[in-house]
Amino acid sequence: KNEVEQSPQNLTAQEGEFITINCSYSVGISALHWLQQHPGGGIVSLFMLSSGKKKHGRLIATINIQEKHSSLHITASHPRDSAVYICAVRGRGSTLGRLYFGRGTQLTVWP
Amino acid sequence: DVKVTQSSRYLVKRTGEKVFLECVQDMDHENMFWYRQDPGLGLRLIYFSYDVKMKEKGDIPEGYSVSREKKERFSLILESASTNQTSMYLCASSIRDRVRPEQYFGPGTRLTVT
Repeated sequence: KNEVEQSPQNLTAQEGEFITINCSYSVGISALHWLQQHPGGGIVSLFMLSSGKKKHGRLIATINIQEKHSSLHITASHPRDSAVYICAVRGRGSTLGRLYFGRGTQLTVWP
Repeated sequence: DVKVTQSSRYLVKRTGEKVFLECVQDMDHENMFWYRQDPGLGLRLIYFSYDVKMKEKGDIPEGYSVSREKKERFSLILESASTNQTSMYLCASSIRDRVRPEQYFGPGTRLTVT
């Protein structure tokens, strides 16, 4: 069983739609990350959360520690948002920085 | 800016060859990681290192070994490449810090074993 579960696995949207990607985890964590991977492979960090909510432009990430759940929202989606979005968690007390990853959500936004 | 570089973007090798994948980071990070990424399976940890000459097995170490002789460089070695090791390989690094655990990723190496 994977410690981190993401849904949906694939998501298709029309430009302008509101997008939500969900992440549930089963372990105690010190931080949760949302990562973005564009075609070609490079992975960049979008957010690191330990509580509450963060916003960056059209992207919003929330986390509910009690329910062990996080969501990534994209408002007014655009074709350039097409990418794989990955949820990852860092175990509580880990100094080694090891992350546990969800399997990713492939988002395609059509014009 | 943190920079993590990998020696090749694309690599084609034959079954049985010894393959070296190199990763270099320029931010004096203690921790370095090697992952493979396959469709539907996500990122899986092969090995990680938390100091020079130190290494720990990840979730899928079979068929791989690693070397960390210098702090900035972490090498992944496929002793005898097999077709089931065809994959995208990603290196990452992070500082040993409870507060700032962010990992920085390299661009990836897409390895094909024929």
